[in-house]
Amino acid sequence: AQSVTQLGSHVSVSEGALVLLRCNYSSSVPPYLFWYVQYPNQGLQLLLKYTTGATLVKGINGFEAEFKKSETSFHLTKPSAHMSDAAEYFCAVSRYSSASKIIFGSGTRLSIRP
Amino acid sequence: DAGVTQSPTHLIKTRGQHVTLRCSPISGHKSVSWYQQVLGQGPQFIFQYYEKEERGRGNFPDRFSARQFPNYSSELNVNALLLGDSALYLCASSLDILLGASYEQYFGPGTRLTVT
Repeated sequence: AQSVTQLGSHVSVSEGALVLLRCNYSSSVPPYLFWYVQYPNQGLQLLLKYTTGATLVKGINGFEAEFKKSETSFHLTKPSAHMSDAAEYFCAVSRYSSASKIIFGSGTRLSIRP
Repeated sequence: DAGVTQSPTHLIKTRGQHVTLRCSPISGHKSVSWYQQVLGQGPQFIFQYYEKEERGRGNFPDRFSARQFPNYSSELNVNALLLGDSALYLCASSLDILLGASYEQYFGPGTRLTVT
């Protein structure tokens, strides 16, 4: 069975500081990995995804994530936080394809301090 | 092009009633998936439909059912509503569901269901 664990339900950083949101996954087959962002009262927007190939994945809004198979991790980073980054972030995994059933983590709420 | 659309935006129902939620996928997308997001949690997979056939079902009771129409739009039905069914219901569409492919799932804004 597949599962996702997001470490820290709430992360707070200062504007301009490094953002690091942690995600570990469990999968019996090579996984498809995702990070989604959800702004208040909105749906989910894909930030980035890992399917195959390069393990460092670049996404929208300056975010990137690195797939580390040995650590079963897919942490999300951004060098410099902006106030507009405040949102809920979900790490997710799917099997077989990126269009099949997605299993989401419980989410990390990112707050940005001025 | 329009994204995934869902209706209604908000809905208030009473325990025991039934509800129908609707989803229109992005034009040309053949697959629709439904997710339930309870407040404070990540979305949970309910159903996936492709070419009008059910292709996946999550761990939800039989009170939950869905269907996909020839135009690829979809309905999610929930019978005998419980307080615990209060959630944001998200619909996602994808072009196809080929194994090993990297088609993206695009999410709609969701329908907020409140059961009182």
